Amino acid sequence: KNEVEQSPQNLTAQEGEFITINCSYSVGISALHWLQQHPGGGIVSLFMLSSGKKKHGRLIATINIQEKHSSLHITASHPRDSAVYICAADLGGGADGLTFGKGTHLIIQP
Amino acid sequence: EPEVTQTPSHQVTQMGQEVILRCVPISNHLYFYWYRQILGQKVEFLVSFYNNEISEKSEIFDDQFSVERPDGSNFTLKIRSTKLEDSAMYFCASSPGPGYGYTFGSGTRLTVV
Repeated sequence: KNEVEQSPQNLTAQEGEFITINCSYSVGISALHWLQQHPGGGIVSLFMLSSGKKKHGRLIATINIQEKHSSLHITASHPRDSAVYICAADLGGGADGLTFGKGTHLIIQP
Repeated sequence: EPEVTQTPSHQVTQMGQEVILRCVPISNHLYFYWYRQILGQKVEFLVSFYNNEISEKSEIFDDQFSVERPDGSNFTLKIRSTKLEDSAMYFCASSPGPGYGYTFGSGTRLTVV
């Protein structure tokens, strides 16, 4: 059974700060997903990673397959980045769906 | 950009009643999923559906639950004899297949009273 752990659970930072959210998982996976959940509840896919690093705007996601660890970074954080960020592990079979972490509740204060 | 559409956005039902949650996945996607998120908890996998049948289901997905693809577009989750603990946000998702990303619907908030 794959366990997905995230840290920190809660993070409050000032606008402009560099943010890092960490994710670790217990078994081999085919991909790691980073998702964003806003207060209304909807889930938006940010990244799908199987190796290395991806960047989209101010968001950067990295993964170390050997260490079973991934990080999500936000540069020049802004209050509109406030949301819950969730990592989810994909075993790759299609049928298995995703195993989710508990999420990191991020608040960026102006 | 294609979307996964879920209806209703919010449903309140009496304990013991049956509810049907509806989803329209992205048209060329082949895998469909239902997930559940109880308030304050993590998102949990319920079931996956491929080629008109269940592919995998979690231990949560017991005989109270069923899924159907009644036509070429809709994908439904039926919950029979609802219990208070079924109150949660239910998300539908679809994917083209292994190695591809997922698109989530905006969720149905089910409240059982």
